[in-house]
Amino acid sequence: QSALTQPRSVSGSPGQSVTISCTGTSSDVGGYDYVSWCQQHPGKAPKLMIYDVIKRPSGVPDRFSGSKSGNTASLTISGLQAEDEADYYCCSYAGNYTLLFGGGTKLTVL
Amino acid sequence: QVQLVQSGSELKKPGASVKVSCKASGYTFTTYAMNWVRQAPGQGLEWMGWINTNTGNPTYAQGFTGRFVFSLETSVSTAYLQISSLKAEDTGVYYCAGSADWGGFDIWGQGTMVTVSS
Repeated sequence: QSALTQPRSVSGSPGQSVTISCTGTSSDVGGYDYVSWCQQHPGKAPKLMIYDVIKRPSGVPDRFSGSKSGNTASLTISGLQAEDEADYYCCSYAGNYTLLFGGGTKLTVL
Repeated sequence: QVQLVQSGSELKKPGASVKVSCKASGYTFTTYAMNWVRQAPGQGLEWMGWINTNTGNPTYAQGFTGRFVFSLETSVSTAYLQISSLKAEDTGVYYCAGSADWGGFDIWGQGTMVTVSS
């Protein structure tokens, strides 16, 4: 199984919106509503930001939203803030009790 | 509070073994399945597999069979990752992560750095 495909990097200015894509196949992203997104700051453990494609855990700002169309899931961050600068990883259920991560996207806040 | 606390950094020689622990607190241990995730230096996250905390049944991802073993000590709410015949390419940070279902990793340990070097 190959990793899900994410852009290596994206950037935006404070206050702007950015969208990070996560492309898989009909056997993973497209086949289940089990896509999540994690945020990882340098030297820190990842943190869950979106689960079940669109749901936000308690405490995650509503500036973070998730969506999915076909085999591609997306994370949108609106009203960018400096603290949003981090690496973002998507993760999808891939059947047979297995999970797949994306390669990760580095978000730079200009 | 709900948390996973992992054991400290390890420095091992090639061919040796290492056992990483992940102690859960603040919740009933069987609430979350326990996943293991590796992050090689400067690289992304890689899912290694998971262990069912109700049955103890492990599932290993491709590339993590043979030398990798997941286990539990339910009486002390602790999960373990053991790696044998260590190689330089096993160097990285290993995270445990609890998940209620397949939708996402609800809680993460702080990570354990394993360095394999002669």
